[in-house]
Order: sequence, then structure tokens, then C-alpha cells
Amino acid sequence: LAKTTQPISMDSYEGQEVNITCSHNNIATNDYITWYQQFPSQGPRFIIQGYKTKVTNEVASLFIPADRKSSTLSLPRVSLSDTAVYYCLAPGNMLTFGGGTRLMVKP
Amino acid sequence: GAVVSQHPSWVICKSGTSVKIECRSLDFQATTMFWYRQFPKQSLMLMATSNEGSKATYEQGVEKDKFLINHASLTLSTLTVTSAHPEDSSFYICSAPRPTSGRSDTQYFGPGTRLTVL
Repeated sequence: LAKTTQPISMDSYEGQEVNITCSHNNIATNDYITWYQQFPSQGPRFIIQGYKTKVTNEVASLFIPADRKSSTLSLPRVSLSDTAVYYCLAPGNMLTFGGGTRLMVKP
Repeated sequence: GAVVSQHPSWVICKSGTSVKIECRSLDFQATTMFWYRQFPKQSLMLMATSNEGSKATYEQGVEKDKFLINHASLTLSTLTVTSAHPEDSSFYICSAPRPTSGRSDTQYFGPGTRLTVL
């Protein structure tokens, strides 16, 4: 299983773009990179998934360099409601959650 | 809308009693479901994989006789915490693979069940 490493916490302000980087040095050839968001006392919510280059949806963008050993989740123009824990997973066929990044968005 | 539901959303019980938590997939079938436990300020820890029609697969260190899992239908998995003790108090979350992805690492998660054992 690919172990992931991401910052424990980040602070931002409303309206800013937030980039959270995750390293997964041992990612396997078949692994996808998946990001989840979790609010307190709720189950995680799928945000985005990618294999290489760039993926964008209505919520976020995911940037993956050619070596795939890291990925960056980009949240455009965050609001207070984006305050949550963000998890990066690159686990193969099983879900292994690392520590996640606790994002605090301030007014 | 929610595609995986859990019931109850919270439960308080006395030490020594058993508690059953249900996880249902809504509008899709799930031959596999996953159960997690999350302590305050910590990440999710996978407890077991629930397999429809067969025995669950437990992660190392998880007592299968204490955390009974039954996956009796393609839309329902249950987790029973037997003889609960205060240290079992936690947030229990289930998940099921998104049917359109074909991959088990893309999941729908339930809203979680907060268990408090007095």
C-alpha cells in the first residue's frame, strides 16, 4: 500500500486559493489518487480522483506530476464552509486513511 | 442526496450491552461494504470488510467476536458491538464502493454513528 504524507494543518482566508500537497512515493502503477473531505461528525465525502496530469470538477482541481509521487488538491476561492479535514488516498484496492490535512478558513 | 445511510445516527448504551448499527446502500447494490472507526481528532481506521453472503474480513487487531458483522443482503450490512465498554465509544462509519467507478477506492460513506458507552 502506498503511504501518503500531507501537512497536518493549513490556514487560509476566504476567497483565497488553497493548495494541499500529498506525497505518495511508493504509489503503484495501477493506483489512482483520491481525495476526500470530512466535516466534524460526518462521513468523508469524495472530492476528486485522478491518475495523471490534471483533473478538474465543479469542486476542485487535482494536479499530478509525471512521476505521480505527489499530487496537489487545489480549492479555488475557499469559503468558511470549506473548513474541514482533507484526506489524500493512494491505496490500491483498499482504503487506508492517513492523518489528513485540517484546513481552517478564516473570515 | 445521501446514497449510504446509517442507523442510528447516535446511540448511548450501558456498559456490557450490545449495540447494532445498520448500514444501507440506497438505490444501488453493494456486495462489499467497509466499516471504520474514528476517535476524536484522529483519522479513520478500517475495522473490517463486510462481504455479502460470506464472512467478514477483519483488520489486524480488531476482535471479530466483539465486532460482529453481518452482510445479509446486497443493500444492508450490520455491525454489532457486543458487550460494549467505554473504550468502544467512538464514531463508526460505513462505506460502499461507488458502483459507477468499478474501483473499491472510490467510496460512498455513510453519515456515521456516534456510540457512547456509559
